Amino acid sequence: ELKVEQNPLFLSMQEGKNYTIYCNYSTTSDRLYWYRQDPGKSLESLFVLLSNGAVKQEGRLMASLDTKARLSTLHITAAVHDLSATYFCAVGNAGNMLTFGGGTRLMVKP
Amino acid sequence: DGGITQSPKYLFRKEGQNVTLSCEQNLNHDAMYWYRQDPGQGLRLIYYSQIVNDFQKGDIAEGYSVSREKKESFPLTVTSAQKNPTAFYLCASSTQMTGNTIYFGEGSWLTVV
Repeated sequence: ELKVEQNPLFLSMQEGKNYTIYCNYSTTSDRLYWYRQDPGKSLESLFVLLSNGAVKQEGRLMASLDTKARLSTLHITAAVHDLSATYFCAVGNAGNMLTFGGGTRLMVKP
Repeated sequence: DGGITQSPKYLFRKEGQNVTLSCEQNLNHDAMYWYRQDPGQGLRLIYYSQIVNDFQKGDIAEGYSVSREKKESFPLTVTSAQKNPTAFYLCASSTQMTGNTIYFGEGSWLTVV
């Protein structure tokens, strides 16, 4: 059974600081998705990583995938308040089904 | 605009009642999915459909039913057999091509009263 674990579960950080969210998964996959969710809202797609060593960046967020280590990271650079949200990683299974991690709730304080 | 429309956004269910959540997409996607999210947790797959008139159970299908009579529609019925249905329900769709972005609707909140 595929298990996806994120850490930390909760992250409070100051504006301007850097931090990394980790996503570990238990079985082989070469598809890793990152989503953002604001309170009470749907999921917004951030990144789709499809191969070992894949790295994608958008603004202050950068995601990477190491399929051999079964690890993906979401790095936040110089955090701003607007990045406050819950971030989910999800591993792709057959047929584009997703197994989600438990989420990381990020709060960026001024 | 292309997208996924879920309705209703808020729904209250009495004990013993069946309720149906609607999901419509105009993205011309073949695959559609239903996920459940409990407060403070990740999403879990209820049912999925890769093609019209075919669907498969996900990880937590007990107490739920679906149909896929049209490509653009994938309604979810929460039956009285689902003992703890209070949750946020999210519909998603994608092409069948592996690795393409999977898009989510705005979600439906279901509460048992």
